[in-house]
Amino acid sequence: DAGVIQSPRHEVTEMGQEVTLRCKPISGHDYLFWYRQTMMRGLELLIYFNNNVPIDDSGMPEDRFSAKMPNASFSTLKIQPSEPRDSAVYFCASSDRERKKTNYGYTFGSGTRLTVV
Amino acid sequence: AQKVTQAQTEISVVEKEDVTLDCVYETRDTTYYLFWYKQPPSGELVFLIRRNSFDEQNEISGRYSWNFQKSTSSFNFTITASQVVDSAVYFCALSERGGTNAGKSTFGDGTTLTVKP
Repeated sequence: DAGVIQSPRHEVTEMGQEVTLRCKPISGHDYLFWYRQTMMRGLELLIYFNNNVPIDDSGMPEDRFSAKMPNASFSTLKIQPSEPRDSAVYFCASSDRERKKTNYGYTFGSGTRLTVV
Repeated sequence: AQKVTQAQTEISVVEKEDVTLDCVYETRDTTYYLFWYKQPPSGELVFLIRRNSFDEQNEISGRYSWNFQKSTSSFNFTITASQVVDSAVYFCALSERGGTNAGKSTFGDGTTLTVKP
């Protein structure tokens, strides 16, 4: 299995531009999570999906952020318009609740380092 | 509400020393799962271990060992004979089995371990 695949690995964009981060979870996993990591706030859960349905988006900082999961193998996190304070590493993770697989633990992608200038 | 506290922000040891990373958690659920993750300087987040709330047996894996004590709500992680490659940020996490938080993990703020040669 290729693991959780995120793209791009690095993104540098100008303030005001739209940014789209992509994630392909592990096949068969029924949970997908989007986290943001910064030095100031650590790991923050932004939103998570179960069977492609958003369950909790209370961590999404504001309306500029949106996330979709159109099918079981793909999710996007979009920021429009982007601001310098959005600069962070964004992680996608997937999980399944069957013990024989990931034992409920997360498998994280490599992250996308976003810099908004 | 679930909460994970890693009181040690940074720890520095010399190679071959033993080191224990503390983790204290809060939850109202009777069934839950505890995790440790490692984030080396390269940035990826790696799942290390999961423990179930109904299984207090301690676990050893090579130089790593985990001490789960339900009575004190702690899930501590010990590295024996530390090595430079153990230098990383270590995160403790908690996931409740049921309720509105089912499937979602809450992470501690992490402990940065530096192992000096």
